[in-house]
Amino acid sequence: GAGVSQSPSNKVTEKGKDVELRCDPISGHTALYWYRQSLGQGLEFLIYFQGNSAPDKSGLPSDRFSAERTGGSVSTLTIQRTQQEDSAVYLCASSLVYEQYFGPGTRLTVT
Amino acid sequence: AQRVTQPEKLLSVFKGAPVELKCNYSYSGSPELFWYVQYSRQRLQLLLRHISRESIKGFTADLNKGETSFHLKKPFAQEEDSAMYYCALSGPGGYQKVTFGTGTKLQVIP
Repeated sequence: GAGVSQSPSNKVTEKGKDVELRCDPISGHTALYWYRQSLGQGLEFLIYFQGNSAPDKSGLPSDRFSAERTGGSVSTLTIQRTQQEDSAVYLCASSLVYEQYFGPGTRLTVT
Repeated sequence: AQRVTQPEKLLSVFKGAPVELKCNYSYSGSPELFWYVQYSRQRLQLLLRHISRESIKGFTADLNKGETSFHLKKPFAQEEDSAMYYCALSGPGGYQKVTFGTGTKLQVIP
């Protein structure tokens, strides 16, 4: 079956612009996660959804970052007024019970 | 609060040498523990779960509740083992948030 997909695969934006990153989880997976990988760094947790609610948003770096999930499926991560330090690969993962299935990521470059 | 610590950002070993990637955790109760791996230009994927007690690609990991550790081991490193390794934890029974460590980059020197 289809795995987790993310779009766009690459995004180049100018500093100060808003961006939206999309995640399509595996059908039926109730949990959805967003992470960030900066160059040479590990995995940084951003936000976790169980269904449409987000019991843990503690990883969002600032109020410029927000995420929503609709219909218990697709999720959108929005970054407002992007800064150069937002440049990273943004990963999405979904899971049902234990195992997380990761998407290919969106590489965001802020110029 | 649940926490996973991987003390080494980078571990370099020679091909054929033993490998041990360290993972320590903090959790009140009996957690589920995992190792994930990310090979170059590939997606992050599950390597093994402690509950399955299996060996994947020659890697094993033993849960030590007394030391709250879940170190990943392999007796003889191969060049294809070079990757980023993440230790992860979740509560028992599934359907709970998973917490990842910051990862260890394993570099196997030919």
